[in-house]
Amino acid sequence: DIQLTQSPSFLSASVGDRVTITCRASQGISSYLAWYQQKPGKAPKLLIYLASTLQSGVPSRFSGSGSGTEFTLTISSLQPEDFATYYCQQLKSHPLFTFGPGTKVDIK
Amino acid sequence: EVQLVESGGGLVQPGGSLRLSCAASGFIFSNYRMNWVRQAPGKGLEWISYISSSSDTIYYADSVKGRFTISRDNAKNSLYLQMNSLRAEDTAIYYCAREYGSGNYYYTPYGMDVWGQGTTVTVSS
Repeated sequence: DIQLTQSPSFLSASVGDRVTITCRASQGISSYLAWYQQKPGKAPKLLIYLASTLQSGVPSRFSGSGSGTEFTLTISSLQPEDFATYYCQQLKSHPLFTFGPGTKVDIK
Repeated sequence: EVQLVESGGGLVQPGGSLRLSCAASGFIFSNYRMNWVRQAPGKGLEWISYISSSSDTIYYADSVKGRFTISRDNAKNSLYLQMNSLRAEDTAIYYCAREYGSGNYYYTPYGMDVWGQGTTVTVSS
């Protein structure tokens, strides 16, 4: 089974900060990685797929990079609406998907 | 508007059963692969089941295999999850999610682009 870890698990940041979240896979997954944003009481929202492709309608301050086993999600300038929990998901072993444990981004 | 709406959640005793439904609208349901994902209280996301567009391929996470059954009715634009032998650890919000990808002969999965609002299942005596 492919396992995902995320770091940090929690981060505190201010509006305007550049934020980077890392997702690591237990084995190579090429670029088969997606990122989601989830706000309290809401369903997850797809932000990025194939590691670096921005989903339609997602602001350009979000970006993704990486391949193989290490991936990053970057928010270039954190906005108030970006405070949420972010999950990575591997799709290499489709359809046996795995999500990372999540990174909560909170207001400093 | 593209939409998924889950229903059927509730309180059930350990060992009991529930059937969740997910009604799709605003898109051609029969063209899409579908998934169920759950989230225990205060925890992360857990993928639990997948069904292909024509129901010929079905997968389950080990945590629910043998107890849960996924199905769909393309004529009714609906996805289902039959849950039997429920345990306390099945307590969660259950989401149906549309799979997004490209290609037919060689399919590339992108992720899950449309999610329902979730339905809550509580297993407790």
